[in-house]
Amino acid sequence: DAKTTQPPSMDCAEGRAANLPCNHSTISGNEYVYWYRQIHSQGPQYIIHGLKNNETNEMASLIITEDRKSSTLILPHATLRDTAVYYCIPRGGNEKLTFGTGTRLTIIP
Amino acid sequence: GAVVSQHPSRVICKSGTSVKIECRSLDFQATTMFWYRQFPKKSLMLMATSNEGSKATYEQGVEKDKFLINHASLTLSTLTVTSAHPEDSSFYICSARGDRAYEQYFGPGTRLTVT
Repeated sequence: DAKTTQPPSMDCAEGRAANLPCNHSTISGNEYVYWYRQIHSQGPQYIIHGLKNNETNEMASLIITEDRKSSTLILPHATLRDTAVYYCIPRGGNEKLTFGTGTRLTIIP
Repeated sequence: GAVVSQHPSRVICKSGTSVKIECRSLDFQATTMFWYRQFPKKSLMLMATSNEGSKATYEQGVEKDKFLINHASLTLSTLTVTSAHPEDSSFYICSARGDRAYEQYFGPGTRLTVT
């Protein structure tokens, strides 16, 4: 499994874009980059995933560098409900989802 | 996204008793289910993986005789914590995956407290 590095914590002002970085320099060619988040005392929630192209859905955008060694999750207009721990997880095919320590994002009113 | 439910959401039991936690996929068929455990302020740790109708595959260090997993149907998996002890107190989270491997959904979790 590819190892990931995420900042342990970040703050973002409400209404601003939250940009969460992730380094995954050992990612292999068949591994997608998945992002999940966990709000306090709840199960993780799927956000988005991508292989090499940038992706966007109703929750977020995912920017993957051309060499695939890092990615950034963008929450375009952060709200207080976006306060959570965000996990970046490389995963290929039917592999297990292995959670690292993630980034604790706090949205400031 | 798809819905995965867990029951109960909270349970308190006495040391030495057994506790069963149910995990259901409500709107899709889960060919694979996963059980995770999470201690306070820590990340999720995978305990075991189960495929419908097969024996579960346990992660290293997880006692299969203590954490009994049954995945008898495509919508239900159960985790039984046998002879629970206070150190088993934790947040247990199940996850379900269907035919499309990229879609994996998590339940809301069960908080177990052993007194």
